[in-house]
Amino acid sequence: AQSVTQLGSHVSVSEGALVLLRCNYSSSVPPYLFWYVQYPNQGLQLLLKYTTGATLVKGINGFEAEFKKSETSFHLTKPSAHMSDAAEYFCAVSVYTGGFKTIFGAGTRLFVKA
Amino acid sequence: GAGVSQSPRYKVAKRGQDVALRCDPISGHVSLFWYQQALGQGPEFLTYFQNEAQLDKSGLPSDRFFAERPEGSVSTLKIQRTQQEDSAVYLCASSLRARAYEQYFGPGTRLTVT
Repeated sequence: AQSVTQLGSHVSVSEGALVLLRCNYSSSVPPYLFWYVQYPNQGLQLLLKYTTGATLVKGINGFEAEFKKSETSFHLTKPSAHMSDAAEYFCAVSVYTGGFKTIFGAGTRLFVKA
Repeated sequence: GAGVSQSPRYKVAKRGQDVALRCDPISGHVSLFWYQQALGQGPEFLTYFQNEAQLDKSGLPSDRFFAERPEGSVSTLKIQRTQQEDSAVYLCASSLRARAYEQYFGPGTRLTVT
């Protein structure tokens, strides 16, 4: 079975500071990992994904994440936070086993202070 | 091009009423997913279609929930005899191919059961 744990339901950073959102996963088969962002009253938008190959993945809006199999982690980072980054972020794991299911974490709300 | 659309965007139902939520996926997308997102939580998988075939309905919480996609495009999620615990945002997502991991989300339908 697959599961996702996001450490910290709320993270607050100052504008220009490093953003680090933590995600750990559990999967019995090689996982595909995702980060999504959700703005108020909107659907989810894909930030980045890891499927195979390079473990450091770059996404939109300056975000990146590194897949660390030994740590079962897929933390999301951004060197310098902008006010527009304030949103809810979801880590997710997907496995294709004849059917397709994506399991989401509970989310981390990012606050950016001026 | 047009993204995933959902209607209605907001629905208020009295306890015991039946509701129908519509999802229009991106044209040509093979896979379609329904998720339920309770307040302050991550989306939870409900069901998955590949074309008109419902391949996984393991996430449907009870037999009051029913989904269909009869012609392999538009999908409807029906909830019979709504209960207060059904109040949530219902998200639809589609992806281009059966094994395409990138999902495109609609804005969701916010269901409130009074």
